[in-house]
Amino acid sequence: GQQVMQIPQYQHVQEGEDFTTYCNSSTTLSNIQWYKQRPGGHPVFLIQLVKSGEVKKQKRLTFQFGEAKKNSSLHITATQTTDVGTYFCAGPNQGAQKLVFGQGTRLTINP
Amino acid sequence: DAGITQSPRHKVTETGTPVTLRCHQTENHRYMYWYRQDPGHGLRLIHYSYGVKDTDKGEVSDGYSVSRSKTEDFLLTLESATSSQTSVYFCAINRAAGTDTQYFGPGTRLTVL
Repeated sequence: GQQVMQIPQYQHVQEGEDFTTYCNSSTTLSNIQWYKQRPGGHPVFLIQLVKSGEVKKQKRLTFQFGEAKKNSSLHITATQTTDVGTYFCAGPNQGAQKLVFGQGTRLTINP
Repeated sequence: DAGITQSPRHKVTETGTPVTLRCHQTENHRYMYWYRQDPGHGLRLIHYSYGVKDTDKGEVSDGYSVSRSKTEDFLLTLESATSSQTSVYFCAINRAAGTDTQYFGPGTRLTVL
C-alpha cells in the first residue's frame, strides 16, 4: 500500500540553529500537508502544498513540494523554543478521502 | 480549532473489557476519522466514516469497530481490550467540505492493564 516515510525520526538542536525534516511518498501525491503536534497536544494543520515545485513560507518556516510530487521538506530557520514538537507530513490516499501520515519528526531544542 | 470533542479524555481499563470512545463534532462535516498514535508509528488510521451509517476500515482496524448513527457522533469500540491497544486515540474531521485537510480532537489516552 501507499507509504509515506519521514526522516529524521528525532532531531535535537540548539536554539537558533536551523532544522529540516524530509518526507517521501511511495506514490505521486495530489497534495502534501504538514501538521505540528506540541508535546501533550493534538496535531494541528500547518499548510497544504498542491503544485509541483511549490514553495510556501510561514514566517521562519519554509515548505517545499518536489517536482515529481513525491517528496516534500519543512525547513525552520533559527529555531525558537516555541518550535518544539513533532512535525508530520501527510498525503491523500489514492482514490479515497483519507490521509496517510509519515511517522513524524520530533524536534527538541536546547535553549 | 473546530468543534471536536472526545470523551473520555483518559481511561484505564483491564484486558478483556469492552471500551467505547466517543467523538463529537459541531461542524456537521461528512467525514470523520479515528487514528491511534504510538511512538515510532505516527498516526495510523483505524476506521473512518463518510456519512451516517457509512464506514470503512483503515490500516489498523483489527480489534476495533465503529458506529455512526448521527452526523455529529462517531464511536470507536474495542470489543475486548488488549494491552496492545494501549495508545492515544485521536478523532479528526475534514476542515471543510471538498478538502482533505483535517482538524483533530484533543485525544483520548487509553491504558489497558
